[in-house]
Amino acid sequence: DAGVIQSPRHEVTEMGQEVTLRCKPISGHDYLFWYRQTMMRGLELLIYFNNNVPIDDSGMPEDRFSAKMPNASFSTLKIQPSEPRDSAVYFCASSRGTSGKQFFGPGTRLTVL
Amino acid sequence: SQKIEQNSEALNIQEGKTATLTCNYTNYSPAYLQWYRQDPGRGPVFLLLIRENEKEKRKERLKVTFDTTLKQSLFHITASQPADSATYLCALTYSSASKIIFGSGTRLSIRP
Repeated sequence: DAGVIQSPRHEVTEMGQEVTLRCKPISGHDYLFWYRQTMMRGLELLIYFNNNVPIDDSGMPEDRFSAKMPNASFSTLKIQPSEPRDSAVYFCASSRGTSGKQFFGPGTRLTVL
Repeated sequence: SQKIEQNSEALNIQEGKTATLTCNYTNYSPAYLQWYRQDPGRGPVFLLLIRENEKEKRKERLKVTFDTTLKQSLFHITASQPADSATYLCALTYSSASKIIFGSGTRLSIRP
């Protein structure tokens, strides 16, 4: 199994640009999570999906952030427009059922100049 | 709101000793408490999960305890090795959903 796949691994962009992060969960997993990690705030849950349906997006910082999961094998997290304070590592994770055990991807390191 | 506290200071342990990391939480007890390991530049990796009706869980050199009275979990690494050096994250999951809350992590360094 390839594990959770994220792309790109690194993204450098300028303030105001649109950024799209991509995630492919582990096949057979029905939960998908998007996290953001910074030194100051640690690992924060942004949004999670169950069977492609968004369940809780209360962690999404503001309207500039949006996430979609068009099918069981693909999800995107979009930031439009991006700001320097969005610079962080963004992780995608997936799990099977409500076991709680999550498998994380390698993360996307986003730098907004 | 629920808060999770882990050792804020980095922990430095001599190789071969037992490392003990602490995770404290407020308010109500979670359905599951988990421990993850994170190496620099990588995503967290699941280590152990313990349920609220379990007192202790072991896996090789790892042991986790869960005390719902103290609202605390302890994570032990026995016979520690330099390869155990990493940041360890505590996480709580509640029964209503798979939403998970992570602690800020404790950085562990094992010196030879």
